[in-house]
Amino acid sequence: KAGVTQTPRYLIKTRGQQVTLSCSPISGHRSVSWYQQTPGQGLQFLFEYFSETQRNKGNFPGRFSGRQFSNSRSEMNVSTLELGDSALYLCASSFPHGQITDTQYFGPGTRLTVL
Amino acid sequence: AQSVTQLDSHVSVSEGTPVLLRCNYSSSYSPSLFWYVQHPNKGLQLLLKYTSAATLVKGINGFEAEFKKSETSFHLTKPSAHMSDAAEYFCVVSDQGGGFKTIFGAGTRLFVKA
Repeated sequence: KAGVTQTPRYLIKTRGQQVTLSCSPISGHRSVSWYQQTPGQGLQFLFEYFSETQRNKGNFPGRFSGRQFSNSRSEMNVSTLELGDSALYLCASSFPHGQITDTQYFGPGTRLTVL
Repeated sequence: AQSVTQLDSHVSVSEGTPVLLRCNYSSSYSPSLFWYVQHPNKGLQLLLKYTSAATLVKGINGFEAEFKKSETSFHLTKPSAHMSDAAEYFCVVSDQGGGFKTIFGAGTRLFVKA
């Protein structure tokens, strides 16, 4: 089975722009979570989707949003980019029920640099 | 509210000696606990998980962890370190207080000396 894939792998944007990142989960996985990883803050939970519904959200401003499609693929969007949004954005999918006991499988991440 | 504290930001051991990475957690519910490893320029990989079954959990590559509810701890151990164990390790808690949510610890960087 193919693993979690994220596109693009690297991205450079300027302040004020917006960006959309994509995540394709492992086939059959219905839960997709997004995380931001920075040297200063570590790994922080952004949000989790299950069957196209956002079930939980971390403590991030409204500029960060996401969605999930019927095929479980997910996108996250960051509007009005700030320098502090520079980070590695990780996506993870889990099976079978998106429950807390499930193992999360992580993608390689998208490295976003904001200039 | 749930939280995770990894007590050491860096741990250095010699090859062949035991490894201990410490993790304390806080949760209002019955949590699931995980250890993940992140090698440089590689993705996060699950080492092991506790989900309210056996309190001593065995994982991949010789790692194991013991869930101690009375101490709210979930320390990761390995009897003998190998050079390939050098990486960053994350203790993770998931519970459903307020919905499915996963909290990562700050990470422990493990250095292995030859």
